[in-house]
Amino acid sequence: GENVEQHPSTLSVQEGDSAVIKCTYSDSASNYFPWYKQELGKGPQLIIDIRSNVGEKKDQRIAVTLNKTAKHFSLHITETQPEDSAVYFCAATLGGGNFNKFYFGSGTKLNVKP
Amino acid sequence: GAVVSQHPSWVICKSGTSVKIECRSLDFQATTMFWYRQFPKQSLMLMATSNEGSKATYEQGVEKDKFLINHASLTLSTLTVTSAHPEDSSFYICSANPGPSIITDTQYFGPGTRLTVL
Repeated sequence: GENVEQHPSTLSVQEGDSAVIKCTYSDSASNYFPWYKQELGKGPQLIIDIRSNVGEKKDQRIAVTLNKTAKHFSLHITETQPEDSAVYFCAATLGGGNFNKFYFGSGTKLNVKP
Repeated sequence: GAVVSQHPSWVICKSGTSVKIECRSLDFQATTMFWYRQFPKQSLMLMATSNEGSKATYEQGVEKDKFLINHASLTLSTLTVTSAHPEDSSFYICSANPGPSIITDTQYFGPGTRLTVL
């Protein structure tokens, strides 16, 4: 089955700096890669996603890049703010329909220091 | 849009009792819902996939007789933890995949339910 690895497990940055979180996956058939933000005591919230036919996607301060050949994808947050502090999870799935389960990374705790 | 609710948000029960958790998609239909369990500082562990009108598919190691799942409508799935024990204490999260009118890979998550078994 699919195996998703996520690094780093914790990340501290100064407010205004950029943060990068990286994930690798093992199944070359995976073609949908979402990123979720989870605040303490809450459910994960989808923040951005990318499909295998796209190399990069950007939404304001958040961007995701995908390298299908190397089987890795990354989350980039620019101009970080204290409210970006949370745990971020990457996931991979075969996609192609409504029934495919997600394989999650182990999570990255991001701390943005004011 | 794409809001998923869970009820209750937290519950405390005595050992041996059963607890039902509801997961609702508020503004979309969901053919498929997923139930996850999350331990502190850990990732989400998929427990089962719930399809409307059919039996749930459980992940390896998850006791289907202990964690009863019912997906009776396109907007509601329930998870019942039967004969709960302290080791069942955890954060339970559901997610919903919009369908059947659209085909998408996206899952939208509920806010979670904190279960504490005394």
